[in-house]
Amino acid sequence: DGGITQSPKYLFRKEGQNVTLSCEQNLNHDAMYWYRQDPGQGLRLIYYSQIVNDFQKGDIAEGYSVSREKKESFPLTVTSAQKNPTAFYLCASSIISGTGFNTFGSGTRLTVV
Amino acid sequence: QQQVKQSPQSLIVQKGGISIINCAYENTAFDYFPWYQQFPGKGPALLIAIRPDVSEKKEGRFTISFNKSAKQFPLHIMDSQPGDSATYFCAASSSGGNQFYFGTGTSLTVIP
Repeated sequence: DGGITQSPKYLFRKEGQNVTLSCEQNLNHDAMYWYRQDPGQGLRLIYYSQIVNDFQKGDIAEGYSVSREKKESFPLTVTSAQKNPTAFYLCASSIISGTGFNTFGSGTRLTVV
Repeated sequence: QQQVKQSPQSLIVQKGGISIINCAYENTAFDYFPWYQQFPGKGPALLIAIRPDVSEKKEGRFTISFNKSAKQFPLHIMDSQPGDSATYFCAASSSGGNQFYFGTGTSLTVIP
């Protein structure tokens, strides 16, 4: 089955620690996205990538980093600079950036302990 | 400036009733308007979508109407069922753009 796989489903981070969230898609989609979801705030764009080895900052990129070394993979690192990282993180992809619709993964819930 | 405005934040409807969730957009360049359904702990899933060349799209009990002059595209859920209880997001994008803009979500509860 084609789709987007996010792992892990749950992740706990200690203060000052960097953590990496995995996102893999086998849909052959060109564009990939990372969103952060907080209660009452909907989905906010962190980073997006339209092609391999290129990515753009979204609305809330501070404290996050990404890479796009392969078309199917778009990992997100939550760095220690992100002061309020507890949230639900969603990865998505689309055929062409900005068109069609986003297909979403099942999310990773990150909690700071 | 918020590109897509969604209301209400939460909605409670009796089983069999009509649920109406409103969504308005700012940018007239938007030409694709999807609605997503999200269950707790899951990612959003595409529910139904519309383009500006039609005034209404219906899929089963779900209908989007498109009002170009008012820049609105509300979602109607007919004969609402408890299984429809979820969070609904509207979104907008443009062919020449490079990202999607989401509303803040509506938590729908359908009571038996």
